[in-house]
Amino acid sequence: AQSVTQLGSHVSVSEGALVLLRCNYSSSVPPYLFWYVQYPNQGLQLLLKYTSAATLVKGINGFEAEFKKSETSFHLTKPSAHMSDAAEYFCAVSGRSSASKIIFGSGTRLSIRP
Amino acid sequence: DVKVTQSSRYLVKRTGEKVFLECVQDMDHENMFWYRQDPGLGLRLIYFSYDVKMKEKGDIPEGYSVSREKKERFSLILESTSTNQTSMYLCASSPQLAGLNEKLFFGSGTQLSVL
Repeated sequence: AQSVTQLGSHVSVSEGALVLLRCNYSSSVPPYLFWYVQYPNQGLQLLLKYTSAATLVKGINGFEAEFKKSETSFHLTKPSAHMSDAAEYFCAVSGRSSASKIIFGSGTRLSIRP
Repeated sequence: DVKVTQSSRYLVKRTGEKVFLECVQDMDHENMFWYRQDPGLGLRLIYFSYDVKMKEKGDIPEGYSVSREKKERFSLILESTSTNQTSMYLCASSPQLAGLNEKLFFGSGTQLSVL
């Protein structure tokens, strides 16, 4: 069975600072990994998806995530935070079979200090 | 852009009432999903459907049922609501082409409060 653990339910950074949101996965087979973002009063939207083509995945809005098999991690980063990045972020995992469902983590709320 | 529309943004119901949550997508997607979102628990899959009249249980189907009579519409039914069903309900859809783990498109959610 697959699962993801997001470390930290709430992260606060200053505007312009590095954003680092942590995600560790558990999977007995090479997984697909995702980051989704949920802005206030909206549904989730896909930030990026890892499928094994490259370990560093670039997403929308300047975010990227690096797949590290040795650490079973898929942390999300952005070099410089913007006020508009304030949202809840969800890491997710699935198997590679077309019948595999996506399993979501518990979420990390990102706050940006002026 | 894909649009997934959920019929209500907020609902308040009394214990024991029947509730229908409606979801419509406009991109001819085969797969549709219902999740509930609770603080600290993330999203949990209730039911999904990969075709008209087809449905599969997710991780927490107890107390819920679904209906998919048309490809674009997926309804979540709470036959007799209880207070532990107070939650944010999210509908999502995806194209079939790569399977159930293809990119999901979400509606903006329905916040259900059961008193």
